[in-house]
Amino acid sequence: DQQVKQNSPSLSVQEGRISILNCDYTNSMFDYFLWYKKYPAEGPTFLISISSIKDKNEDGRFTVFLNKSAKHLSLHIVPSQPGDSAVYFCAASARGFGNEKLTFGTGTRLTIIP
Amino acid sequence: EADIYQTPRYLVIGTGKKITLECSQTMGHDKMYWYQQDPGMELHLIHYSYGVNSTEKGDLSSESTVSRIRTEHFPLTLESARPSHTSQYLCASRRGQGAYEQYFGPGTRLTVT
Repeated sequence: DQQVKQNSPSLSVQEGRISILNCDYTNSMFDYFLWYKKYPAEGPTFLISISSIKDKNEDGRFTVFLNKSAKHLSLHIVPSQPGDSAVYFCAASARGFGNEKLTFGTGTRLTIIP
Repeated sequence: EADIYQTPRYLVIGTGKKITLECSQTMGHDKMYWYQQDPGMELHLIHYSYGVNSTEKGDLSSESTVSRIRTEHFPLTLESARPSHTSQYLCASRRGQGAYEQYFGPGTRLTVT
């Protein structure tokens, strides 16, 4: 049973526009959420994170929004640039003994069209 | 940005061979992880370590084994490789309490023929 879901396998966005990547989760114990970016043949790179006590976190062109009641988070990239073309993974972590682990979604491939 | 290294980057090997995938980090992180990822799929945790002489199995059952004799080194070993082991293997590390971000190495793409 997949606890972190990224229902859009791919997304294409015009350069300069906003990219919105979505992620849903089912485990109410998750209290920390992260976004990673992955290029082919490389490891994931950490982008931005958010704690469950917040509903928004911003870092430059990247903003993550968390809606706890809907168990939904999203990553906004504004403006989108060609170098943003990559696979984006959402990940979540829970409190307690299990908080050492990250649970990942299946990823969304973002393509920025010049 | 953490410095974490994996070798080899690519490995093609025949069935039955013993292989060791190397992972090293220079950040002094206590916690280290091994993930397995197939194309288009999520990363699955197969092993993790809280520190020297600590190793635990992850969520995905794996025939591989790991060791943690030094803080900076977390190798993964397959005693007898099989085609079903073909995958990408990613190593990660993170700081201690209060830091959830894991930093990944470049990965090893393993193909067993």
